[in-house]
Amino acid sequence: QVQLVQSGAEVKRPGASVKLSCKTSGYIFTSYYIHWVRQAPGQGLEWVGIMNTPGGNTNRARNLEDRVTLTQDRSTSTVYMELSSLRSGDTAIYFCIREKHGGYFDYWGQGTLVTVSS
Amino acid sequence: QTAVTQEPSLTVSPGGTVTLTCAPSTGAVTSAFLPNWFQKRPGQAPRALIYTTSNKHSWTPARFSGSLLGGKAALTLSGVQPEDEAEYYCLLSYGGKWVFGGGTKLTVL
Repeated sequence: QVQLVQSGAEVKRPGASVKLSCKTSGYIFTSYYIHWVRQAPGQGLEWVGIMNTPGGNTNRARNLEDRVTLTQDRSTSTVYMELSSLRSGDTAIYFCIREKHGGYFDYWGQGTLVTVSS
Repeated sequence: QTAVTQEPSLTVSPGGTVTLTCAPSTGAVTSAFLPNWFQKRPGQAPRALIYTTSNKHSWTPARFSGSLLGGKAALTLSGVQPEDEAEYYCLLSYGGKWVFGGGTKLTVL
């Protein structure tokens, strides 16, 4: 069955970086893009970025593109999201979700809580 | 960055019908925006309900439907159940980037 399994919770200091993983299984990895989405406490969902798994190119939200790096490891069907220069406003649950090209979003990861605190 | 507006909150009675809408700050929503709708309950990952305007997933209850209505993307719930109380988010495509609406908190009362 399709699964997106994310890495565990992280606690970081302001200014540090964090790298999250989203390990996929149960389907052909390069048949679906992987997006990252976050939800800060008491806030709505925010789109972070997309990994085009067949092509390897990425796109990121304008307010995060200087701090977010998306990478992938096709050998393990895993996508990574690294967020640098962390600040308290980055405290959120980060989700990965897959999309078949053309706007077909379906399965989500379970989410990873990132807490930024001094 | 483009803003996408949803009703902040709506209340509906059990068995009733309610329509949630999703609109960009400028212009109308068309099918080219590839509207998706998601349900979010506290403590859970979001769940996909509708993709590309009006298509349902195999797990989407029949009472949920998506459409374009007056230049907006719309999610209609007909015969609302208590378990439909949740937050609902739309997602629109902007040529390689995507933007979520602010979300609608639906109360079933």
